[in-house]
Amino acid sequence: QVQLVESGGGVVQPGTSLRLSCAASGFTFSSFGMHWVRQAPGKGLEWVASIIYDGSNKYYVDSVKGRFTISRDNSKNTLYLQMNSLRAEDTSVYYCAKDQHPVPAAIWGQGTLVTVSS
Amino acid sequence: EIVMTQSPATLSVSPGEGATLSCRTSQSVGTNLAWYHQKPGQAPRLLIYGASTTATGVPARFSGSGSGTDFTLTISSLQSEDFAVYYCQQYDNWPPLTFGPGTKVEIK
Repeated sequence: QVQLVESGGGVVQPGTSLRLSCAASGFTFSSFGMHWVRQAPGKGLEWVASIIYDGSNKYYVDSVKGRFTISRDNSKNTLYLQMNSLRAEDTSVYYCAKDQHPVPAAIWGQGTLVTVSS
Repeated sequence: EIVMTQSPATLSVSPGEGATLSCRTSQSVGTNLAWYHQKPGQAPRLLIYGASTTATGVPARFSGSGSGTDFTLTISSLQSEDFAVYYCQQYDNWPPLTFGPGTKVEIK
């Protein structure tokens, strides 16, 4: 059974950094593209970043380019999101999600809350 | 970027009644469209992909239709667990992956 478990969220001050992790199990992690999608409190879904199965290609929404970095360690079945220069508008629940052909980001974890506040 | 719109924003339905939700894209996505629902405090769950293919384990009361720019999700007879927010997502032309703003289906 596919499991995606996010961790690393918390309350941080503007301008600081945080690294999120997503531990994957129940499937061959190294064969699937992975994604981060976020949801601000009471708002809709916003795609943040994607990484292909071997980590050789990465994609970002414009609002996080240069600040966030998506990465993966296929030996540890773990996806990461390094978030630098955090802003109040980055406050959201961050979900990791896996591809399920043909749909990118089809299967989601339960999310981890990031709150950026002074 | 493909912009998604959904209507209505809120739909009030009595249990046992049917519901029809709409999603429109700013340019054609063929049938590369998915539907999700999200209950409070939970992650979104995939219901439909390919505009009309029901995902594994999804009840048969959910069905999708459409192609190009106009899509519909139909729930034939709402059960208590179906009251949630429904999102459409296009995956024809990405990045960015884009989602609609959602339709909240509430109990009438």
